[in-house]
Amino acid sequence: EPEVTQTPSHQVTQMGQEVILRCVPISNHLYFYWYRQILGQKVEFLVSFYNNEISEKSEIFDDQFSVERPDGSNFTLKIRSTKLEDSAMYFCASSEARAPNSPLHFGNGTRLTVT
Amino acid sequence: AQSVTQPDIHITVSEGASLELRCNYSYGATPYLFWYVQSPGQGLQLLLKYFSGDTLVQGIKGFEAEFKRSQSSFNLRKPSVHWSDAAEYFCAVGQLTGTASKLTFGTGTRLQVTL
Repeated sequence: EPEVTQTPSHQVTQMGQEVILRCVPISNHLYFYWYRQILGQKVEFLVSFYNNEISEKSEIFDDQFSVERPDGSNFTLKIRSTKLEDSAMYFCASSEARAPNSPLHFGNGTRLTVT
Repeated sequence: AQSVTQPDIHITVSEGASLELRCNYSYGATPYLFWYVQSPGQGLQLLLKYFSGDTLVQGIKGFEAEFKRSQSSFNLRKPSVHWSDAAEYFCAVGQLTGTASKLTFGTGTRLQVTL
């Protein structure tokens, strides 16, 4: 079964550094998402992306965050200047159609640790 | 705003025993409801979903859930738990927004299975 892949599985960075989290969504999917889960807390929506633009973003997704689909396969989340509170598991997801008619498929996540 | 409550943070059951995980939602319209499972170090896997129709839905791995509008609940059940079911379970409600959608998750229930 096709799956969403995320790299790296674990990223350690120093506060103030830029990080790029990478995702390869399922090939025929059109809708892309980033969620995050701070340790011990619930999974939170960050951003949705469709037709090469942001569809919706949460309050968490401030100017430090950006997303991009640089080619036909990758979907990236960039954090320009990381803060300690950005430490979390970041999940990429994709769906074939406008969910919830088409459920989200999640990757295994990237654990970001900001020191 | 929509919200999801999972009252039980941690549940322990014996292998072979039955399981029920509780989920209550708050949503103004007909909800789109999901259960996801997260095994250690893994991403979120969809167990089952409810959009409309039969209020008892069947999912993968022998799980089922019942939608009860009067109680605003969508509890997950399994007649006989296996040790491999130990994981964290998340209930979520979906919302169509703009050109995409988003999921609002509960805080999760961690299931421990004793042999």
